[in-house]
Amino acid sequence: GENVEQHPSTLSVQEGDSAVIKCTYSDSASNYFPWYKQELGKRPQLIIDIRSNVGEKKDQRIAVTLNKTAKHFSLHITETQPEDSAVYFCAATPRGNNRLAFGKGNQVVVIP
Amino acid sequence: DAGVTQSPTHLIKTRGQHVTLRCSPISGHKSVSWYQQVLGQGPQFIFQYYEKEERGRGNFPDRFSARQFPNYSSELNVNALLLGDSALYLCASSLGATLEKLFFGSGTQLSVL
Repeated sequence: GENVEQHPSTLSVQEGDSAVIKCTYSDSASNYFPWYKQELGKRPQLIIDIRSNVGEKKDQRIAVTLNKTAKHFSLHITETQPEDSAVYFCAATPRGNNRLAFGKGNQVVVIP
Repeated sequence: DAGVTQSPTHLIKTRGQHVTLRCSPISGHKSVSWYQQVLGQGPQFIFQYYEKEERGRGNFPDRFSARQFPNYSSELNVNALLLGDSALYLCASSLGATLEKLFFGSGTQLSVL
């Protein structure tokens, strides 16, 4: 089945700096890649997603880039703010689109 | 409109018992999926139901089962509970048949003693 890995496991950034989280996947047929944000004690929330026919997508301070050849996609957060502190999960929908494989998560800490 | 609602919020069971978790999707959403989240890990996919039919199943033993009702609400059942079943169980709903753009509930925290 699909295997999704995230790096680094923990990332600390100064407020205002950029944060980048990388996610790799194993199934070259995967075609949908979402990022979810989970604050402590709260439910995961979708922040951005991308399909395999698109290389980049941006929504205000958040962007996702996809490299299908290398089988990885990255979350970019610019001008980080304390409220960006959370665990971020990437995921991939493997062949058949009837399962969703999540990574283990990245803890992002924004230092004021 | 209410979001995805799950009940109960917390549950304590002993090994060998049975548990039923419930989920109500966002109004208009026809797909419900279930996930197990162990502390410090990402959600693990258990099941997806769409229009009352099972569309996907993760790598979980047959002790785990689910169903979806005509009003699109869903139940997750776990038999013969093990200590390792202790986790946060999340339900998510989506508009269509795919697992895209999920809206998660707050989860049911299950503790097996």
